[in-house]
Amino acid sequence: HLQLQVSGPGLVRPSETLSLTCSVSGVSISSVGYKWGWIRQSPGKGLEWIGTLYYSGITSYNPSLKSRVSISADTSDTQFFLNLRSVTAADTGVYYCARHFYGDGVENWFDPWGQGTLVAVSS
Amino acid sequence: SYELTQPPSVSVSPGQTARITCSGDALPKQYASWFQQKPGQAPLLVMYKDSERPSGIPERFSGSSSGTTVTLTVSGVQAADEADYYCQSSDNSGTYVIFGGGTKLTVL
Repeated sequence: HLQLQVSGPGLVRPSETLSLTCSVSGVSISSVGYKWGWIRQSPGKGLEWIGTLYYSGITSYNPSLKSRVSISADTSDTQFFLNLRSVTAADTGVYYCARHFYGDGVENWFDPWGQGTLVAVSS
Repeated sequence: SYELTQPPSVSVSPGQTARITCSGDALPKQYASWFQQKPGQAPLLVMYKDSERPSGIPERFSGSSSGTTVTLTVSGVQAADEADYYCQSSDNSGTYVIFGGGTKLTVL
């Protein structure tokens, strides 16, 4: 049974780096065909895709965030990470991780999702 | 930049049918998925590949596609269906993921 859980600091100072961890249980992150995504939601707003990590280590990022974001995985094969640099108040929101199903270039969806964590950017 | 357009709100009485639309130029080529989000909860997948329903999702949820519009239909709406609903798809290249702005379904 695949489960994901997000962890990390709830407060980040402006201009610093937001770092979050998604812990995965039930499957190895590097399992062939698996992809893993980060999505965020500003307070009272909609969902925004941040980026996706492929099982091979390849990444794909939202063009609007690409210059500041990096997604990676650790060698234990049970966690993947989000780093968002030079944050501002606009980066405040709930951050989710999820398994990203991706097939044939014409279909993709996120399931299941982790519970999400609220990150506030404030001095 | 590519966008998916949803109505901000849809209201129906219990037992009626709610239809939530999502429009985007790439939808004839790219499948869409739908998520239900209740306050304080993570989004839940309720439809994928336009009309495929995940296990555990009630049969009253269905999906369809026509041209540049996909539709999530909730038949026999119940109070428990009141939530925000988001569509999601990709640009024509299939590289970048996009979410619609969300629709608040209100059960009167």
